[in-house]
Amino acid sequence: ETAVFQTPNYHVTQVGNEVSFNCKQTLGHDTMYWYKQDSKKLLKIMFSYNNKQLIVNETVPRRFSPQSSDKAHLNLRIKSVEPEDSAVYLCASSWTGGNTEVFFGKGTRLTVV
Amino acid sequence: GDSVTQKEGLVTLTEGLPVMLNCTYQTIYSNAFLFWYVHYLNESPRLLLKSSTDNKRTEHQGFHATLHKSSSSFHLQKSSAQLSDSALYYCALANYGNEKITFGAGTKLTIKP
Repeated sequence: ETAVFQTPNYHVTQVGNEVSFNCKQTLGHDTMYWYKQDSKKLLKIMFSYNNKQLIVNETVPRRFSPQSSDKAHLNLRIKSVEPEDSAVYLCASSWTGGNTEVFFGKGTRLTVV
Repeated sequence: GDSVTQKEGLVTLTEGLPVMLNCTYQTIYSNAFLFWYVHYLNESPRLLLKSSTDNKRTEHQGFHATLHKSSSSFHLQKSSAQLSDSALYYCALANYGNEKITFGAGTKLTIKP
């Protein structure tokens, strides 16, 4: 049963455009994440957001920014997409503490042409 | 920092044969939590099993794994592969109190008739 909802499922856009992906979780978790799953299926954390504290993976380019209105929502904005941004973006949530189960959404597949 | 190694990127097996997916890890902390997540096509990645207890076998949905702290390993096994086991499997590591979960590169398991 899905409890982390992502929209859209797919998005195709041109280089230089701005895109925004939405994520909502209904589990009441206090931490949300964005992961990037690249073409080689590597799963890399981009951001984690906990009680309004943002932890950023230092390798994430500045054109990426998370946006949160409350602890149940964490959106992802990409200011000016580049070809290497083509990937599946997975939103996830969990309780505080790295030893707890992480629940993922189905992902948003971004293709930059 | 923490790291997780999954040596096999691709594993192809015939239905009915045993499955073993390798996972080793490195961490400076003694209270490691190890996880296996499974990602079926067009679904969300989800937790398959987890463990933090040394030398204790954990089982779920026909799969099992034993955390061996002496060898820093958490290999995933199943006695008899089924076609429906075809998926991407990620080994992951977390430490108590640390928000960060580290994923391995993933192993794509394909089961053939």
